[in-house]
Amino acid sequence: DADVTQTPRNRITKTGKRIMLECSQTKGHDRMYWYRQDPGLGLRLIYYSFDVKDINKGEISDGYSVSRQAQAKFSLSLESAIPNQTALYFCATSDFSGRDEQFFGPGTRLTVL
Amino acid sequence: SQQGEEDPQALSIQEGENATMNCSYKTSINNLQWYRQNSGRGLVHLILIRSNEREKHSGRLRVTLDTSKKSSSLLITASRAADTASYFCATDGGYDMRFGAGTRLTVKP
Repeated sequence: DADVTQTPRNRITKTGKRIMLECSQTKGHDRMYWYRQDPGLGLRLIYYSFDVKDINKGEISDGYSVSRQAQAKFSLSLESAIPNQTALYFCATSDFSGRDEQFFGPGTRLTVL
Repeated sequence: SQQGEEDPQALSIQEGENATMNCSYKTSINNLQWYRQNSGRGLVHLILIRSNEREKHSGRLRVTLDTSKKSSSLLITASRAADTASYFCATDGGYDMRFGAGTRLTVKP
């Protein structure tokens, strides 16, 4: 089984709808991250969390919110989706060992019509 | 804004040749990492080099870091068709990581 899973893998929705993307991990890591990827722009950090009680905004948090329900679960919500939020979304995890390697989920392809 | 910027944006080589990708960044870092992404999939960590290291090897990969020039390079030796992917550098300057836009490498058989 994959260490970092994301659901759904693909989603098509309409403008104005609320969407939740979920991430689960079995690596036992404390740190979790949400990124979006757009063609030609690489990955940009949306939110990150260093433990269950810690939530931090990243580079592009406007229009998004997150919830860290447990050490293993980190959800990303789009309260009112808009077309320019069409992108590939990745969840990632890392531990506190100092290696700082991040482990990525397979991604969610979100299309907002 | 992105911290790292890769160069070139795209690179096409023949199998067996070496591939070199460069990354430049703007602020002080703790470490720099390189990741690989096959089309539409999650990123996979390749190698990490710390700010006090100058060179690191892992299999066919060689990474260099020049903190005075704020730059790094990734060399893939004896490339294979399976190395075709996008390669990203990522810098850790504190609590978050910043990724570049990537280099798209195509290795022709």
